[in-house]
Amino acid sequence: GQQVMQIPQYQHVQEGEDFTTYCNSSTTLSNIQWYKQRPGGHPVFLIQLVKSGEVKKQKRLTFQFGEAKKNSSLHITATQTTDVGTYFCAGFEDTGNQFYFGTGTSLTVIP
Amino acid sequence: DAEITQSPRHKITETGRQVTLACHQTWNHNNMFWYRQDLGHGLRLIHYSYGVHDTNKGEVSDGYSVSRSNTEDLPLTLESAASSQTSVYFCASSESNSLVTYEQYFGPGTRLTVT
Repeated sequence: GQQVMQIPQYQHVQEGEDFTTYCNSSTTLSNIQWYKQRPGGHPVFLIQLVKSGEVKKQKRLTFQFGEAKKNSSLHITATQTTDVGTYFCAGFEDTGNQFYFGTGTSLTVIP
Repeated sequence: DAEITQSPRHKITETGRQVTLACHQTWNHNNMFWYRQDLGHGLRLIHYSYGVHDTNKGEVSDGYSVSRSNTEDLPLTLESAASSQTSVYFCASSESNSLVTYEQYFGPGTRLTVT
């Protein structure tokens, strides 16, 4: 069946360091979404990528969708304590007609 | 403002009991989803609905059921609660379009403990 894996599962960084989480699918995705969940909160939508090789930026966050549409990454430049939380990717597969969430990467930022 | 709510926010029940978790959205979204969140597994889809009277099984649907009698509500029922169903449950909704996928709006979650 469909699997969407994320690495790493946990990441601790010093404030000001960069952070990257990777999302890999076992099958080709039609699009991918990214969500952020603060501790004790609920997932909140960040962005959606649709095109092969697409790159989008939101301030310090850079999102990429792989050329083969089977992987994606989220890169945060110069992390801040407000970046703390768990980042999830969610891939949409046409054949299953549903989103498959990755396992998430929990980010801790040390002041 | 439109919103999506879940009730109860916390629930403790005993093994074997039937439990229903409520989800109500005022976005007028056609699509609604139920997920469970467990450490190390991320968010796993239980059931989803793309409109009134439409329901579909997700990847972890065993032991759960849903019904969609109107646009606003998608209650999740645990037929006979088991300890393995102790989890945090999130409901979500999104707009629908056959050509485009939209962001999902999540409710605040229900923490369910089965003893």
